Amino acid sequence: NAGVTQTPKFQVLKTGQSMTLQCAQDMNHEYMSWYRQDPGMGLRLIHYSVGAGITDQGEVPNGYNVSRSTTEDFPLRLLSAAPSQTSVYFCASSEGTIANTGELFFGEGSRLTVL
Amino acid sequence: AQSVTQLDSQVPVFEEAPVELRCNYSSSVSVYLFWYVQYPNQGLQLLLKYLSGSTLVKGINGFEAEFNKSQTSFHLRKPSVHISDTAEYFCAVSPMYSGGGADGLTFGKGTHLIIQP
Repeated sequence: NAGVTQTPKFQVLKTGQSMTLQCAQDMNHEYMSWYRQDPGMGLRLIHYSVGAGITDQGEVPNGYNVSRSTTEDFPLRLLSAAPSQTSVYFCASSEGTIANTGELFFGEGSRLTVL
Repeated sequence: AQSVTQLDSQVPVFEEAPVELRCNYSSSVSVYLFWYVQYPNQGLQLLLKYLSGSTLVKGINGFEAEFNKSQTSFHLRKPSVHISDTAEYFCAVSPMYSGGGADGLTFGKGTHLIIQP
């Protein structure tokens, strides 16, 4: 059981470049979300989705776009990369609400460096 | 809005000693409480959770936590740690009124548990 799969694991970009971080889950989870992790900052929610065709902004959405065309996939797009977007990005999914399942399943992370 | 304070950014402990990682939260409404663990170069995984019922919650790998509503705390404990417990530990809360959606989940900044041989 693959769980939550993120690609790529590592990426280096130049300022102004665009790219897409891929996230796929094979657990038929309705909820999917993207977090960024920065030293001393914990995890901050970027965007989330409660089902195919539905997305919403989290705490730090600026500079990122998402779409959810299928239940399985939830890509995160960086429109014009900036050094402030250097971070480790985590995709997570859950079967339902935290109240029902109490658990998010995380991918292994994508480490992005913007020069 | 909710906030989570993990009082120690780093906790060094000798192997086989007990450990307590502290977590305090602030919220004007009732909350669900969680501890997640992140091993080096991995994603987070659920350690334990408090949704309702008994305030003492047992999780995986011998960890337990106690919910104290009056002190708004949810401290994580283990009676005897091992080298393999070296990891980053995150406390998180979610307000009950939100239905527990992922958008309502707020993480603390993490505590790095360092096990010394």
